[in-house]
Amino acid sequence: DAKTTQPPSMDCAEGRAANLPCNHSTISGNEYVYWYRQIHSQGPQYIIHGLKNNETNEMASLIITEDRKSSTLILPHATLRDTAVYYCIAPRTGANNLFFGTGTRLTVIP
Amino acid sequence: GAGVSQTPSNKVTEKGKYVELRCDPISGHTALYWYRQSLGQGPEFLIYFQGTGAADDSGLPNDRFFAVRPEGSVSTLKIQRTERGDSAVYLCASSPLPRGGSTEAFFGQGTRLTVV
Repeated sequence: DAKTTQPPSMDCAEGRAANLPCNHSTISGNEYVYWYRQIHSQGPQYIIHGLKNNETNEMASLIITEDRKSSTLILPHATLRDTAVYYCIAPRTGANNLFFGTGTRLTVIP
Repeated sequence: GAGVSQTPSNKVTEKGKYVELRCDPISGHTALYWYRQSLGQGPEFLIYFQGTGAADDSGLPNDRFFAVRPEGSVSTLKIQRTERGDSAVYLCASSPLPRGGSTEAFFGQGTRLTVV
């Protein structure tokens, strides 16, 4: 997997946008970037993934830089239920598993 | 439809005992994964099944750990001679396509194993 680097923790005010950065400078041209999150005492939950273009779904937006060396997950209107650990993953093409690392602990503050 | 189901949700066992952890994947998902998560860490890969066969067991820590998926659906993770260091949350995930495709994995709630 391409090595990913995330800040260990972030805070965000409720109702504001949460922007979670991830560096993946060693990513290769055909490796996707995946984001998962894990709410306390639950299994990881898929959020979104992308290759080159920005992506948006009902949960979040993913902005990938043109050189693909970094990306940002955006939760447009954070709620208290978005408090979780967020993992950025760039699995090697054809790899059989996801390397989670330690992620970013996002705390949404009322 | 139902998600990935793992049973039991909690298991306490004595050191040296044998345990089995069960995973029911989402119906029709051909790929199944086991992960282990220790407190404060991200999930760590153990083994991956494509259908009935273990396509990648490189994450199993030693030969006390074994997993099967005899009919390509339900999987059982088996741990022999449990040690206190085996205490963790064991997570199962399934996905509809092999990992080489761009698809997401769906995780269960996990089994919390405590070895006393």
